[in-house]
Formats: sequence, structure tokens, C-alpha cells
Amino acid sequence: KQEVTQIPAALSVPEGENLVLNCSFTDSAIYNLQWFRQDPGKGLTSLLLIQSSQREQTSGRLNASLDKSSGRSTLYIAASQPGDSATYLCAVKFWNAGNMLTFGGGTRLMVKP
Amino acid sequence: SQTIHQWPATLVQPVGSPLSLECTVEGTSNPNLYWYRQAAGRGLQLLFYSIGIDQISSEVPQNLSASRPQDRQFILSSKKLLLSDSGFYLCAWTLGQGPYEQYFGPGTRLTVT
Repeated sequence: KQEVTQIPAALSVPEGENLVLNCSFTDSAIYNLQWFRQDPGKGLTSLLLIQSSQREQTSGRLNASLDKSSGRSTLYIAASQPGDSATYLCAVKFWNAGNMLTFGGGTRLMVKP
Repeated sequence: SQTIHQWPATLVQPVGSPLSLECTVEGTSNPNLYWYRQAAGRGLQLLFYSIGIDQISSEVPQNLSASRPQDRQFILSSKKLLLSDSGFYLCAWTLGQGPYEQYFGPGTRLTVT
């Protein structure tokens, strides 16, 4: 069974700290991996999409890396701010799963002022 | 640019009542459409996906159904709601088959009383 796991489930850091969120997946045959942000009571906002042929993607203070062979992706957030507080979800599109995403359980991040 | 709408934003319904949630995508043609549910403290569960009009697949058995009366409209329905149907319902779209990014709507909060 293809699974996506995110550890830790929750993280609390002081403002200004650089942090890394982890995502692991059980099958290296993937189309791509997508990182989302979800604020309480809101929909998911796409942050970064990494194709299987790519090693990393960057957007502002965010950097996502992909290592297919080890089944891992990391989301690096530089100089964290209280506004970064949200739940971060990792989702993988596996080759044999049609056009569907498999989601991790998410990491709930709190950045304290 | 593409936009995805969902309504209503919030809904409180008694057990046994019918349900109709709507999702509409603007700015694209023939999108793949998805319905997800996010129950309290749980991850995202894919309910239905559609690759075209009258082409809908169900991922889990339940008392919910989906229809796609128009290319960019996706409806989630139930004839009789259960308490366990409470949750946050999210609609999403992506461009056809392939390594495309998935985009989510703002969601509908359903409380069954």
C-alpha cells in the first residue's frame, strides 16, 4: 500500500528560526510531490510542486527538496514568522494511482512571537 | 486565471435531511474534479473524482453521491445525512491526466445535528 507520512505531527518554534518539515513516502515511482498550507477552517493553498525529475523548488522563504530513492521530501522555511503558523500537508502523485494524490497527515506548525 | 468556488461555506443540517454541495471552476476546460472530506482530527479522504461529464469514480462506500452536470460543475449529494457525514468538504481540480498541480476550493463546513 502506498503511504505518505509526515513527522512530527506538531511543531512549535520561536519566531526567526529556520525549520524543516519532513515527508516520507513508501514508493519511489512518483509523478510529483506537492506541498500545501492549510489555515484553520480554510482550504488548501498550494505552496510548491516538485516533479519527479527535479531535486528542489524554491518560492520566497520556502525551499522543498525531493529524494525519490530514499522516499523523502523536506520543506525548509527560512526565518519563520508568526504568519507561517498553519498546517502543512505533503501529497504525492504515484505513477499507478491515476490522477490522484495521496496525502500525509500534516504537520501543525506554530511560530511564537 | 483559474478560480474555484464552493458553496455554501457553512451548513448545519439535521440527521436524515438531504444534502447538496456545489463546486464550480472558472478559467479552464475539461478539468479533473475531486471531492475530499476532512473530518475533525483526521486527514484528507478522497470521496469522488471525475475526469469528464458523467465520468465519476467513487473511492469509498458511503451514503454520498456525486454528479457532474456541466464540464466545470461538480455536485456532492446525499438523500439522508448521517451524523458521521459531518466534516469539512473540499473540492479540487487539476488539468487532465499528468503531472499537474492540484488546486483546492475554500471548502464547506458541514455539521449534522
